Amino acid sequence: DAMVIQNPRYQVTQFGKPVTLSCSQTLNHNVMYWYQQKSSQAPKLLFHYYDKDFNNEADTPDNFQSRRPNTSFCFLDIRSPGLGDAAMYLCATSRDNRGTYEQYFGPGTRLTVT
Amino acid sequence: EDQVTQSPEALRLQEGESSSLNCSYTVSGLRGLFWYRQDPGKGPEFLFTLYSAGEEKEKERLKATLTKKESFLHITAPKPEDSATYLCAVPFWQGGKLIFGQGTELSVKP
Repeated sequence: DAMVIQNPRYQVTQFGKPVTLSCSQTLNHNVMYWYQQKSSQAPKLLFHYYDKDFNNEADTPDNFQSRRPNTSFCFLDIRSPGLGDAAMYLCATSRDNRGTYEQYFGPGTRLTVT
Repeated sequence: EDQVTQSPEALRLQEGESSSLNCSYTVSGLRGLFWYRQDPGKGPEFLFTLYSAGEEKEKERLKATLTKKESFLHITAPKPEDSATYLCAVPFWQGGKLIFGQGTELSVKP
């Protein structure tokens, strides 16, 4: 089945220690999104790629970076995680970025910062 | 400002007790409205897309409807496995960013 895969499912890192989260997709979608979801809150968009075109949300901290080396893979880098960055990180894909198609989400990576 | 509001925040039902979840929205130029189901510790699972007022979609015990101001997710004869948080979302015109409601946490007791 076509799907969105995230690795790892659980990640523990130390305060200030860089961490990378991974997302891959077999849907061949043009757009890949990264959302942050904290407990009992709705997902919040950090940034997205349309093909290789990177689009950052205005309120996304500089501490968060992303890479998309090819259509299938996208990475979220947190350069210096703080305690406030502990959250579920969700990757999603869509056919386009005009909002006319649904987004498909991966299972998420639960990040703990100690 | 585009906004999505869901009600109730939490809903407890007995197995077999039908009910509806509400999603009201304020957007300029609706491109679509999406319903998702989210289980604890998992990513949202896509359920339905609705594009225009009067449209309806069904899947098993779930039926989604859309008017010009709100959408309803009707749950008929729910089972305990329907327990989850149900999210509705609309896409922002730029970049397709989803604007989510806060969700309705549904609990179905046997």
